Amino acid sequence: DSGVTQTPKHLITATGQRVTLRCSPRSGDLSVYWYQQSLDQGLQFLIQYYNGEERAKGNILERFSAQQFPDLHSELNLSSLELGDSALYFCASSPRGGSNGELFFGEGSRLTVL
Amino acid sequence: GQNIDQPTEMTATEGAIVQINCTYQTSGFNGLFWYQQHAGEAPTFLSYNVLDGLEEKGRFSSFLSRSKGYSYLLLKELQMKDSASYLCAVRGWSRDSGAGSYQLTFGKGTKLSVIP
Repeated sequence: DSGVTQTPKHLITATGQRVTLRCSPRSGDLSVYWYQQSLDQGLQFLIQYYNGEERAKGNILERFSAQQFPDLHSELNLSSLELGDSALYFCASSPRGGSNGELFFGEGSRLTVL
Repeated sequence: GQNIDQPTEMTATEGAIVQINCTYQTSGFNGLFWYQQHAGEAPTFLSYNVLDGLEEKGRFSSFLSRSKGYSYLLLKELQMKDSASYLCAVRGWSRDSGAGSYQLTFGKGTKLSVIP
């Protein structure tokens, strides 16, 4: 158990819909990262937050957005869903000034768009 | 940007040794990581190299050559439970937004199958 909690674990929805994925980082970790993992693309970095502020942005679509709240939990919002958005979405956290930048991953949220 | 290459699949025999290679191109290099990921599960940290040389941790060792943009993960005394994907990840500086931050960019992973 990494200490990172993600909900829901599984989600099935239809094209055009909107979903919200939730992540609670490890106690004390200020950084939250979101990754998307599909079969053919591997782990793709989406976005990072540090202590409530956006710190870095990767290959995140405009239909996707995220935020980190004062209690440090984070939400990833996916809208106008397409079939290609079906993937495993991982949240990871890391401690502030971590000595080696190790990321601790949650179990992931598996999204299926039908 | 960052580019990471590693073999897609490998097969090895229980009890043997296997080496998984990773080559990378990046700016602002600040470390190379190896993660293990069993199917449908979260990636878990295996090793970290920031200086050239070999880092040993039990049955697993990782090597880095920064001048060659090359790393390998060495697994000894293979066990069936080692069947998993092994992800090479490079930490580099990104200023895509905000103040900038170090980011981990992952390769597509090497699926290792250990056979009896």
